[in-house]
Amino acid sequence: AQSVAQPEDQVNVAEGNPLTVKCTYSVSGNPYLFWYVQYPNRGLQFLLKYITGDNLVKGSYGFEAEFNKSQTSFHLKKPSALVSDSALYFCAVRDSRRGGGNKLTFGTGTQLKVEL
Amino acid sequence: GAVVSQHPSRVICKSGTSVKIECRSLDFQATTMFWYRQFPKKSLMLMATSNEGSKATYEQGVEKDKFLINHASLTLSTLTVTSAHPEDSSFYICSASQTGQGYNQPQHFGDGTRLSIL
Repeated sequence: AQSVAQPEDQVNVAEGNPLTVKCTYSVSGNPYLFWYVQYPNRGLQFLLKYITGDNLVKGSYGFEAEFNKSQTSFHLKKPSALVSDSALYFCAVRDSRRGGGNKLTFGTGTQLKVEL
Repeated sequence: GAVVSQHPSRVICKSGTSVKIECRSLDFQATTMFWYRQFPKKSLMLMATSNEGSKATYEQGVEKDKFLINHASLTLSTLTVTSAHPEDSSFYICSASQTGQGYNQPQHFGDGTRLSIL
């Protein structure tokens, strides 16, 4: 079975400060990891993914994430937050082994609020 | 590229009505599409995996006769909520995986359908 934990329901950050949204995962095989962002009454937008290779992954809108195998974590980061980054962020995992199908398992989401 | 269109964006209807939601991949083919349900401020709950030309695979606890899924072409999957009741009110989101791409590629999401049953 695969699972994702996002321990923080909400993260508050001042504009211009760095932000971190935490994610830890559990899979039997090697993980494929994804971050998505959701704005109110919209679907999910893909931000970035980790498949293999460099542990630091860069994505859209200045976001990046660091894969840490020993800590089974994939925290989302941004050096300087913008008010427009305020949204709901989801971490997701898929087992790289094909037997599990193509299903994504999502975390419970973290509401990011960036204030002036 | 990789645009998924979901229609309608919002539906308000009376209890007992059946509602059909369409999910289209506009610029790619999608052998597999997924239907999710999202409650307020909650994560996405996978309802079913829709496979082109075959029966959908439903997650445990999801009523197959209540939530009918049809995936008749490589670009269209539909979810029909039959005899909808107020407890079916929710935000329904579809996503699609591009045919031929591996599991390391992201799913592409529609903008969701807000269903409100009176």
